[in-house]
Amino acid sequence: AQTVTQSQPEMSVQEAETVTLSCTYDTSESNYYLFWYKQPPSRQMILVIRQEAYKQQNATENRFSVNFQKAAKSFSLKISDSQLGDTAMYFCAFMTPFNDYKLSFGAGTTVTVRA
Amino acid sequence: DSGVTQTPKHLITATGQRVTLRCSPRSGDLSVYWYQQSLDQGLQFLIQYYNGEERAKGNILERFSAQQFPDLHSELNLSSLELGDSALYFCASSALTSGPSGANVLTFGAGSRLTVL
Repeated sequence: AQTVTQSQPEMSVQEAETVTLSCTYDTSESNYYLFWYKQPPSRQMILVIRQEAYKQQNATENRFSVNFQKAAKSFSLKISDSQLGDTAMYFCAFMTPFNDYKLSFGAGTTVTVRA
Repeated sequence: DSGVTQTPKHLITATGQRVTLRCSPRSGDLSVYWYQQSLDQGLQFLIQYYNGEERAKGNILERFSAQQFPDLHSELNLSSLELGDSALYFCASSALTSGPSGANVLTFGAGSRLTVL
């Protein structure tokens, strides 16, 4: 079974600064995908960024980037130039074709951006 | 708007009752997933349907059942409700394709918040 661990329950960052969220996962599969989803106070689950395990290049989406360390099974999310609208719960998630493409989620990290 | 529609948005009911949550997937998506988000259990996968057939089952209680209809909308039925069933229930959909172009990306609806009193 795949497990996803987010060890930081809460993080706080000043507006315009950078924050990094940690995520580790455990799998014996070689073909898999990793995601970060954002859940703002509206409760909507929004895809932030995704990474295919076979790609060595780290994914980037505007102010969001990941540091994918396959050997260490680590997948951290960096939010640069934090904005008040980034305040949300962030979930790391794992998916593999061998598990019917189901998403397994971590427990989440609450990020608060301070003005 | 994600394109995945869930109804109702909020539902308050009593213990022992039965409710039905409805989900319309994004246009073109054949696969529907149901997730439960509660404070103590986090986001838990319940069940997945693909083009009308059950594809995978997760931590779904026997009191819960689901189906996907020919028009691809799905319903999650929750019966003999208990206080612990109070949660946010998400539906997500995907095209269930993968390959060099990318992962099987799930798009989530806004959720149905169930409160059992």
